[in-house]
Amino acid sequence: GNSVTQMEGPVTLSEEAFLTINCTYTATGYPSLFWYVQYPGEGLQLLLKATKADDKGSNKGFEATYRKETTSFHLEKGSVQVSDSAVYFCAPGEGSYIPTFGRGTSLIVHP
Amino acid sequence: NAGVTQTPKFRILKIGQSMTLQCTQDMNHNYMYWYRQDPGMGLKLIYYSVGAGITDKGEVPNGYNVSRSTTEDFPLRLELAAPSQTSVYFCASSLGPPGANVLTFGAGSRLTVL
Repeated sequence: GNSVTQMEGPVTLSEEAFLTINCTYTATGYPSLFWYVQYPGEGLQLLLKATKADDKGSNKGFEATYRKETTSFHLEKGSVQVSDSAVYFCAPGEGSYIPTFGRGTSLIVHP
Repeated sequence: NAGVTQTPKFRILKIGQSMTLQCTQDMNHNYMYWYRQDPGMGLKLIYYSVGAGITDKGEVPNGYNVSRSTTEDFPLRLELAAPSQTSVYFCASSLGPPGANVLTFGAGSRLTVL
């Protein structure tokens, strides 16, 4: 089955700092890759996705590039805001495999 | 377009009581899912459905039941509530197989069993 490795955090940053959350995955085939975000008190929502190697997903200033050679999909943002404080989940998707979501990576941004 | 709607948002149950968490989606999605999220933890899959009339167990199905009589609705039934079922429950849906399709989540139902 598919699985991911990402740091749990919390990652604590000051506003306007650079963010990287690492994600490496294992998959039996050629998955699509997703980042979901969960803001406090809410359900998960899609942040960005990529469907093939070297694709870059982007949204709300966040970016992640599908690196097949290193099986990675690291999330980056050049300048975080307090409103980015949330839990971030990396998830590979393949066929009918239903994603499981670990603890994710908690991000806390201070003013 | 409401997306995925869950009711109730909050509920307190006594041990041994039963209840149904409602989930409805208006996107004509074929696939639907129920997850639970314990405090500080990830999401665990309880049950899922690939279409009306078809349901299957996930990772933690014990103590729960589901039905899928229509495309829109996927209720989760808790029988004989136990403190271990205190959690936040999320319903989600996707248009097609989850591998290539985005999951759309509801806002969650917070359940406390005392």
